[in-house]
Amino acid sequence: DAGVTQSPTHLIKTRGQQVTLRCSPKSGHDTVSWYQQALGQGPQFIFQYYEEEERQRGNFPDRFSGHQFPNYSSELNVNALLLGDSALYLCASSPMGSAEHEQYFGPGTRLTVT
Amino acid sequence: AQSVTQLGSHVSVSEGALVLLRCNYSSSVPPYLFWYVQYPNQGLQLLLKYTSAATLVKGINGFEAEFKKSETSFHLTKPSAHMSDAAEYFCAVSVDTNAGKSTFGDGTTLTVKP
Repeated sequence: DAGVTQSPTHLIKTRGQQVTLRCSPKSGHDTVSWYQQALGQGPQFIFQYYEEEERQRGNFPDRFSGHQFPNYSSELNVNALLLGDSALYLCASSPMGSAEHEQYFGPGTRLTVT
Repeated sequence: AQSVTQLGSHVSVSEGALVLLRCNYSSSVPPYLFWYVQYPNQGLQLLLKYTSAATLVKGINGFEAEFKKSETSFHLTKPSAHMSDAAEYFCAVSVDTNAGKSTFGDGTTLTVKP
């Protein structure tokens, strides 16, 4: 079992550009959540996808959008990048409706905006 | 809405000493509580979780935590610190059964001195 995988590992973008980050959930998981972890802070919830729809959203602007594919993998898109978007972006997967009460995190994508 | 406060952004202990990392939570409904560990440039690894069963929860690597409703606390302990325990630790709260939309504390950096 490969666990949760994310790509790319690192990314450098310029202000104003757009970026797409990718996540493949753990085998058997159908729910994907995205988090932003700024340097020195805890992860902050961006949104969650289930059945190819955004189910829950945190306090992030519309510049942050996502998508979930039929194979449960997911993308996070950020438009009009700001310096403040520099962070580690974490993807987590879990099985909806399970009593497992936990989510599994990927290694993250480090985004640097210059 | 839920929130987490981790008391002490940095904790330093000697190898072999007791580890105590503090976490207080706020939740309007019965919460699920989690402790995660994060090593440099890596994602989050679940140490243990509280899901309304036993109030004393045992996790991996010798860590345990006790849920105290009256104190709204979920402190993490380990009887004897090891050098390999040096890392960032995050407490998180969720009201979703799949742990989605978790709210994290700002983290505590644990340093272990030889």
